[in-house]
Amino acid sequence: EAQVTQNPRYLITVTGKKLTVTCSQNMNHEYMSWYRQDPGLGLRQIYYSMNVEVTDKGDVPEGYKVSRKEKRNFPLILESPSPNQTSLYFCASSNTGGEPYEQYFGPGTRLTVT
Amino acid sequence: KQEVTQIPAALSVPEGENLVLNCSFTDSAIYNLQWFRQDPGKGLTSLLLIQSSQREQTSGRLNASLDKSSGRSTLYIAASQPGDSATYLCAVRDSGWGQNFVFGPGTRLSVLP
Repeated sequence: EAQVTQNPRYLITVTGKKLTVTCSQNMNHEYMSWYRQDPGLGLRQIYYSMNVEVTDKGDVPEGYKVSRKEKRNFPLILESPSPNQTSLYFCASSNTGGEPYEQYFGPGTRLTVT
Repeated sequence: KQEVTQIPAALSVPEGENLVLNCSFTDSAIYNLQWFRQDPGKGLTSLLLIQSSQREQTSGRLNASLDKSSGRSTLYIAASQPGDSATYLCAVRDSGWGQNFVFGPGTRLSVLP
């Protein structure tokens, strides 16, 4: 089954404690992306990757890091989380070489930073 | 920079009505437009994907149209049901470098029994 998985699904942590949210896809997609969703602000892109070792900033990259060492994985790293990073996070993947360019989403990770 | 808007922001209708949700985007250089459904606090469910070369797509009671030149898409829901209550999001995929997806703010739909 084609899917994007994220772990953990729920996470409560404290300010400053480094954490990683994993994302994996089994569709051999080149493109992967991270979004955060906040009430009233909608979905905003954090980082994206066009392929292995190719990453770029989205609209709200401050406070986040990513890496793309393997095609299937695209972890999101918060080196020193702060309360303003409390949010619902989504990972997504898509092909890039031709239609359909359909975007597939993971189930989301709800992060609370106290 | 691509911007996506959705009208109305919220909509409440009685069960059985046909309804239309609107999505507008500022840059017509897109690969596709995708409609999603999101239940409160949950993930995104893809409803329909329209390629830039297509005019419409249908799935069950849902029909989505795309007018790329005018930067508009509509999602038509026929014979609405309480189970259709959710937030509906549209997203366009830019055809420039990064091929980024840009989301609209969503329309919150309530279908009353």
